[in-house]
Amino acid sequence: AQKITQTQPGMFVQEKEAVTLDCTYDTSDQSYGLFWYKQPSSGEMIFLIYQGSYDEQNATEGRYSLNFQKARKSANLVISASQLGDSAMYFCAMRPPGSARQLTFGSGTQLTVLP
Amino acid sequence: DGGITQSPKYLFRKEGQNVTLSCEQNLNHDAMYWYRQDPGQGLRLIYYSQIVNDFQKGDIAEGYSVSREKKESFPLTVTSAQKNPTAFYLCASSDSGSNQPQHFGDGTRLSIL
Repeated sequence: AQKITQTQPGMFVQEKEAVTLDCTYDTSDQSYGLFWYKQPSSGEMIFLIYQGSYDEQNATEGRYSLNFQKARKSANLVISASQLGDSAMYFCAMRPPGSARQLTFGSGTQLTVLP
Repeated sequence: DGGITQSPKYLFRKEGQNVTLSCEQNLNHDAMYWYRQDPGQGLRLIYYSQIVNDFQKGDIAEGYSVSREKKESFPLTVTSAQKNPTAFYLCASSDSGSNQPQHFGDGTRLSIL
């Protein structure tokens, strides 16, 4: 069984600064995918970034990058140059191998960007 | 625009009543999912379907039922057997590639009257 752990229930960051949101995972599978989603207060889930377990380079997508350390089983999200609109709940999720491909989610981190 | 439409946005259920949440997608995705989210928590999988006329239970399927008669549609029924149905329900779909993200609808908030 897969498990995702997000140990930071809440984080604060000053506007224009960078912030790292932690995510550790537990799995016995060799092949898996890691995803980060953003959930604003309105409720919709917005896909941010993906990292495959066999990807040698850390994923990047605009201001989002993923600090992937496979041996430590961590996949931390880095947001550079924070904006007020980045204030939201952030979820780390894992997809196991196989045809089902449902996601296992962590409990989330509430990020607040301060002006 | 392609996307996932959930309706209604808000739903109220009386004791002993079954209610159905709608989920429609026009992304031509094979797989569809239903998740439940309780306040301050992550998402938990209720049911998923990889193909028309086939679906599997997720982690918390008790008290729920689904159907998948069309590729575009995956309605969720919250039955009277679900004793604590108050939650935020999210529907998602995805393509078949392993690196493909799930795309979510805007969700339905269900409350007990």
